[in-house]
Amino acid sequence: GENVEQHPSTLSVQEGDSAVIKCTYSDSASNYFPWYKQELGKGPQLIIDIRSNVGEKKDQRIAVTLNKTAKHFSLHITETQPEDSAVYFCAASMVGGAQKLVFGQGTRLTINP
Amino acid sequence: EAGVAQSPRYKIIEKRQSVAFWCNPISGHATLYWYQQILGQGPKLLIQFQNNGVVDDSQLPKDRFSAERLKGVDSTLKIQPAKLEDSAVYLCASSLGGGSEQYFGPGTRLTVT
Repeated sequence: GENVEQHPSTLSVQEGDSAVIKCTYSDSASNYFPWYKQELGKGPQLIIDIRSNVGEKKDQRIAVTLNKTAKHFSLHITETQPEDSAVYFCAASMVGGAQKLVFGQGTRLTINP
Repeated sequence: EAGVAQSPRYKIIEKRQSVAFWCNPISGHATLYWYQQILGQGPKLLIQFQNNGVVDDSQLPKDRFSAERLKGVDSTLKIQPAKLEDSAVYLCASSLGGGSEQYFGPGTRLTVT
C-alpha cells in the first residue's frame, strides 16, 4: 500500500522567512496530494492540494510543487506569520477509487517573532 | 454552513470498558470517514462509508472496533473492549464523494487508563 514520509518533524523559522516541508510517497498510482494544517484541539483543515497533471500550484503565500518522477512533493510558505504556527500534514491518494488518504507523520512549524 | 460535528470532545475510560463516538457530517455529504490519530502521528483511516455502505474497513480492528452509519447520515464508532493503545484522537470527516475535499470535525480525545 501507499506510504508517505514527511520531513522535517519540527521546523522553526523567523517571522517573515520562508518555510519548506517535504514529502515522498511510494505508490506511483497516487494522483492527489493535499496539505492539511492542524491547530491545537482542532481537526485538520485543507490549505492547498495538487493533482498529478500539475507541477505547481500557488495560493497567495502558500505553494505546492510536485515531482511525479521522483515521487515527492513540497509545501512552501513565504512571508511567514505567527498564525502559520501549527502542525502540517501531507497526504496522498488515488482519486477515482475510494480516495483513501494516507498521511505523513506531520511537521510542527513554529514561527518565531 | 455547519461543519462536521463530533461528540463527546473528551472521554476517559478504563481498559476493558466500552466507548462510543458520534459524528454528524456536513449536510449532503455522501462519504464519511473515521480516522484514528495517535499523538505525534498523522491520521490513519479506520473506515470509510459511501452513504450507508462500507467502502473500506481494511484497517479497522474488527475484533474490538465497530462502526455504523444508519440512514446514510450520522455515524457511530464503538470500541469494546478498549485497550491502552486505543488512546488517541478519533476524527470524523466527510466529503461530497470520492475524490472530493474531506472536511474534518474537531475530534474526540480518548484516554484509556
